[in-house]
Amino acid sequence: GEDVEQSLFLSVREGDSSVINCTYTDSSSTYLYWYKQEPGAGLQLLTYIFSNMDMKQDQRLTVLLNKKDKHLSLRIADTQTGDSAIYFCAEGTSGNTPLVFGKGTRLSVIA
Amino acid sequence: DSGVTQTPKHLITATGQRVTLRCSPRSGDLSVYWYQQSLDQGLQFLIQYYNGEERAKGNILERFSAQQFPDLHSELNLSSLELGDSALYFCASSGLVAATNEKLFFGSGTQLSVL
Repeated sequence: GEDVEQSLFLSVREGDSSVINCTYTDSSSTYLYWYKQEPGAGLQLLTYIFSNMDMKQDQRLTVLLNKKDKHLSLRIADTQTGDSAIYFCAEGTSGNTPLVFGKGTRLSVIA
Repeated sequence: DSGVTQTPKHLITATGQRVTLRCSPRSGDLSVYWYQQSLDQGLQFLIQYYNGEERAKGNILERFSAQQFPDLHSELNLSSLELGDSALYFCASSGLVAATNEKLFFGSGTQLSVL
């Protein structure tokens, strides 16, 4: 079945780049998403990428997709303390199947 | 603010009890999704409704049920509660049925504690 895997924790220094990785298993995934969850809040869509793309850049965020290896990454440039949150990777497949989320990566930014 | 409203924010109850969680989707959104978030299981999809009808079912226990009303708000009913049901329950909405490019808008969740 579908499965999305992420490492659970990442710690970086303020100003450095953060790279959060995700692997998925469903080769029919059409869209891949990154959601951010701040403490006490719901998930907020950060960015997404179509499966026929390799890269998408949006200000400090860069999404890289390796479809052959089913590997997705989110790079945050110049990481700030406000970026501390849990980041969820999610895949969307064709048909009537809701998004499948990973367990989330907790990013801690050290000042 | 995502536009999705969930009430209550916190709920404390005892084992064996029944509770109802409520969700109002974003204006214009027809789809409502319920997710359960726990530390060990991550974010688990429970059930989806579209315009009043059940559209997809995930890992929802038989003790749990949901419905979507004509005004599109949704309720998740949890009965015969067990300690393991303690979790953060999220509602999300989207405007699409279940397309692959759906973008979900999440409420801030209901934290359920079963004592």
